[in-house]
Amino acid sequence: AQSVTQPDIHITVSEGASLELRCNYSYGATPYLFWYVQSPGQGLQLLLKYFSGDTLVQGIKGFEAEFKRSQSSFNLRKPSVHWSDAAEYFCAVVPRRGNKLVFGAGTILRVKS
Amino acid sequence: DAGVIQSPRHEVTEMGQEVTLRCKPISGHNSLFWYRQTMMRGLELLIYFNNNVPIDDSGMPEDRFSAKMPNASFSTLKIQPSEPRDSAVYFCASSPGQGAQNEQFFGPGTRLTVL
Repeated sequence: AQSVTQPDIHITVSEGASLELRCNYSYGATPYLFWYVQSPGQGLQLLLKYFSGDTLVQGIKGFEAEFKRSQSSFNLRKPSVHWSDAAEYFCAVVPRRGNKLVFGAGTILRVKS
Repeated sequence: DAGVIQSPRHEVTEMGQEVTLRCKPISGHNSLFWYRQTMMRGLELLIYFNNNVPIDDSGMPEDRFSAKMPNASFSTLKIQPSEPRDSAVYFCASSPGQGAQNEQFFGPGTRLTVL
């Protein structure tokens, strides 16, 4: 079945530490790939997206993501986390022949000082 | 630009009442999306408009839900009659161009509670 999986429901990291949030997808053809962030009580904001080309994608707020076709993954990374990064992060896809943005379940990031 | 505007931000109503949620997309955007977010089901697309025309409403749960986009600057999502299981946060998003692969700009959401 087609799906987007974020295996970690919660992640806690110390401020200044590196971060990696995992995302795996299951689609016949590589879909369009996205990461969105939702701060408490807010709507979602796009961090970055991948359609094709360079597999390392730079986004806003110092985030990057790497597309790995062999692993059907699109993991989000940040080298040094700030307290303001505490939020919920959603991996999302649009199938190549679809017109819906399909979201993963989300990963809640907590940052401890 | 003010971004996507949704009203009301919070709505508390009783079962059986009609609820209308409103959305003003970003000027110049011609795609509009309604999503519902719940703990159990996560974020789900309810309906997608392009140039004011509904393109995909397969996510609308049942006939109690209806959405309209009478012009490029306004959309409504109506629930009639409302039920407690409709309690959720409802987001409106807009994007330039056609298709869900364009960046979607989300409003702050309407938190609906049906008692």
